[in-house]
Amino acid sequence: DTAVSQTPKYLVTQMGNDKSIKCEQNLGHDTMYWYKQDSKKFLKIMFSYNNKELIINETVPNRFSPKSPDKAHLNLHINSLELGDSAVYFCASSQVTLETQYFGPGTRLLVL
Amino acid sequence: AQSVAQPEDQVNVAEGNPLTVKCTYSVSGNPYLFWYVQYPNRGLQFLLKYITGDNLVKGSYGFEAEFNKSQTSFHLKKPSALVSDSALYFCAVRAFGGATNKLIFGTGTLLAVQP
Repeated sequence: DTAVSQTPKYLVTQMGNDKSIKCEQNLGHDTMYWYKQDSKKFLKIMFSYNNKELIINETVPNRFSPKSPDKAHLNLHINSLELGDSAVYFCASSQVTLETQYFGPGTRLLVL
Repeated sequence: AQSVAQPEDQVNVAEGNPLTVKCTYSVSGNPYLFWYVQYPNRGLQFLLKYITGDNLVKGSYGFEAEFNKSQTSFHLKKPSALVSDSALYFCAVRAFGGATNKLIFGTGTLLAVQP
């Protein structure tokens, strides 16, 4: 069974479109994250939710909106996509007390 | 400010030789330190972590890391490299006592093991 899964794996879209990426974890963790990895492989946290509550919100354009319907799911919606949004987006989860984060396989977003 | 540095963009080593991937950190308070590996077109996989206790931490795939508080380092090591170890390695730090479980990642070191 996949511990942290993301859909879709690949996303190619036009500038200005709106898209969503979904993430699910079956590890029973209470904290979930979104990271962005740019073309230089630099990894930066975007958001984090603990028990459906937003606890980390880095300086990310408000075109990006996370939504956590329950502890096991954290989705990322992106409005008005721009060329600079092209990146790999990783979802991760952890049980806070254990600290270790487990990552999904990533969603490769290409904005044309 | 909390930060983690990986001074080498790439490390080249011959198969069978020992390898070291360097990491230094700067945090206030006691650090939680992690190593992750990323294979091409894959997500990050957890290798090992240091929170407290023995300074030498053993992890997956024969990797180990040594926590050195005086040098603020947490270098990743393996006694004998395999070609299959070739990947991108990330060091990360979380400072104890913060309100959130936020990891700060280094810029990554590409390990290339030649046959």
